[in-house]
Amino acid sequence: DIQMTQSPSTLSASVGDRVTITCRASQSISNWLAWYQKKAGKAPKLLIFKASALESGVPSRFSGTGSGTEFTLTISSLQPEDFATYYCQHNHNFGPGTRVEIK
Amino acid sequence: QMQLMESGGGVVQPGGSLRLSCVASGFRFSSYDMHWVRQAPGRGLEWVAFIHYSGNEKNYADSVKGRFAISRDNSKSTLYLHLDSLTTEDTAVYYCAKDRGSVVYYLDVWGNGTTVTVSS
Repeated sequence: DIQMTQSPSTLSASVGDRVTITCRASQSISNWLAWYQKKAGKAPKLLIFKASALESGVPSRFSGTGSGTEFTLTISSLQPEDFATYYCQHNHNFGPGTRVEIK
Repeated sequence: QMQLMESGGGVVQPGGSLRLSCVASGFRFSSYDMHWVRQAPGRGLEWVAFIHYSGNEKNYADSVKGRFAISRDNSKSTLYLHLDSLTTEDTAVYYCAKDRGSVVYYLDVWGNGTTVTVSS
């Protein structure tokens, strides 16, 4: 089974910062990767699919890159509403999550 | 507006059973694969089960295989998850989610979740 890892597990940042989260797969998954945002008490929200395709309605400050085994989610200028936990996903495997907290 | 609404959660004793429902609206339910995903308290997201839009193909996480059963009634735009032989490890918020494509596991519409608590 393919394992997904994320780094860092927690990230402290300020409004306006550029933030990058890394996701790694234990073997090549081409570009079959999605990113989700999860806030406490809310449903997860799809941000990026196929590694780099922005889901409709998602702000353009979110972007995804990568292929094979290494992927990144970048928030170009962190906004107050972006403080949340972010998960990468390949098929039925979610990464452990990266919590983005206020510095 | 595409929406999913779960129901059926509650408190159940270990070894007990529950049936969760998820009613879809705003899209052609019968054309889309569907999933259940859960999040235990303080834990990350865990994929639970998948069902093909036809209902003919199903897949389960190893942690629930043989105990949970996913099904759907396309005439009622409703997805189900039958939970059996529950343990405290199954305590979680359960979400239903729509697949964006055909078995691509990109979950683009989610319900608000229903809480299952397994406790004696």
